[in-house]
Amino acid sequence: QSVLTQPPSVSAAAGQKVTISCSGSSSNIGQRHVSWYQQLPGTVPKLLIYENNKRPSGIPDRFSGSKSGTSATLGITGLQTGDEADYYCGTWDGSLSAGVFGGGTKLTVL
Amino acid sequence: QVQLVESGGGVVQPGRSLRLSCAASEFSFRAYPMHWVRQAPGKGLEWVAVDSFDGNYIHYADSVKARFTISRDNSRNTLYLQMDGLRPEDTAVYYCVREGGADCRFDYWGQGTPVTVSS
Repeated sequence: QSVLTQPPSVSAAAGQKVTISCSGSSSNIGQRHVSWYQQLPGTVPKLLIYENNKRPSGIPDRFSGSKSGTSATLGITGLQTGDEADYYCGTWDGSLSAGVFGGGTKLTVL
Repeated sequence: QVQLVESGGGVVQPGRSLRLSCAASEFSFRAYPMHWVRQAPGKGLEWVAVDSFDGNYIHYADSVKARFTISRDNSRNTLYLQMDGLRPEDTAVYYCVREGGADCRFDYWGQGTPVTVSS
């Protein structure tokens, strides 16, 4: 059971937009920055979003992040087949003194 | 280009030990907290442990506490994970990860080293 809760899967048609939610608590998302990672099949996770809504160099602006209270959201617009991957949210939990991840969301582009 | 290269994984019997290493290069290793994150076959990411700049801030996931020990040698730019009392549920790919910013901003990941615990 993951500390952060994500939907197991989401799907949308190519060219459309999708959002992935990440729900936590006051000891993690509520007082910490959230990062998002993309893991393409058979590859190492890659940082997609940090500090809730910032994109590392090289990440297209089709990817966006937001945070409100104890929840965070990843948005992807202009979906491409190459976006099919597992997406994870993560942060630090001050009460647990531990890093925490969501269980991951598998994105399918129809 | 930042590089993190793990080694030391393999197949081991339950109850035995393994020591993972992570060689870091092309960045100021001593300036960054370093973590281990693992991923069991077909499963999600699981945070394992963190060692801060100087080893004075160390934390573990409950699932590995008292069995695993994280450490670092800043003179050798190397991160370690000593794994004792291994269990089948420790079977996973273990990633060495750099924390590039606050709250577990994991900006660089190694390729991972697989650990299989089986009799």
